[in-house]
Amino acid sequence: NAGVMQNPRHLVRRRGQEARLRCSPVKGHSHVYWYRQLPEEGLKFMVYLQKENIIDESGMPKERFSAEFPKEGPSILRIQQVVRGDSAAYFCASSLTGIGEKLFFGSGTQLSVL
Amino acid sequence: DQQVKQNSPSLSVQEGRISILNCDYTNSMFDYFLWYKKYPAEGPTFLISISSIKDKNEDGRFTVFLNKSAKHLSLHIVPSQPGDSAVYFCAYISFSIQGAQKLVFGQGTRLTINP
Repeated sequence: NAGVMQNPRHLVRRRGQEARLRCSPVKGHSHVYWYRQLPEEGLKFMVYLQKENIIDESGMPKERFSAEFPKEGPSILRIQQVVRGDSAAYFCASSLTGIGEKLFFGSGTQLSVL
Repeated sequence: DQQVKQNSPSLSVQEGRISILNCDYTNSMFDYFLWYKKYPAEGPTFLISISSIKDKNEDGRFTVFLNKSAKHLSLHIVPSQPGDSAVYFCAYISFSIQGAQKLVFGQGTRLTINP
């Protein structure tokens, strides 16, 4: 967990609200990944971004989910109109080179939808 | 469609003994595997990896074995210590058509080391 900062650590939302999850990568890293972990399951890839570009969003639901990694500031994973099934731990990871092995993960955001 | 399977959700081992965590995969084209370790309320941390050109890789107390004919890999921890209690994920690197490299994880095995 070499310096990837995620906030908030815990987020509670009611159904229909919006959830915004933030990720500041390791300083100097320009590759960011978002993963989701449902209870008792492994981490599932959602989206891969480089600065200002979405490279691969094949793991992200087509509706209600979006991600960005602006030139300045943290990466944001946004979930609109949350439903109970969105309750999960969301992990961000960053990389210097984009090579899969060298991923550094944050501590995650636990999203709970009431 | 689980391409990487960890069939044991949990494993309990006595301190000082060997811990063996197993992982099966489906695609013989997979050529790079990794093990990650995760403590509660933390993100996964990289532990050890192996390329398909090898059948063994060792790093201190941790050794990963790859059996390509059986499509099976295992992580051995010797000797096991209480601090090894965590969830262990095996993973492989997948390449997307966009050229992105991403990790595909198994479901995880919760290892408990008993004093």
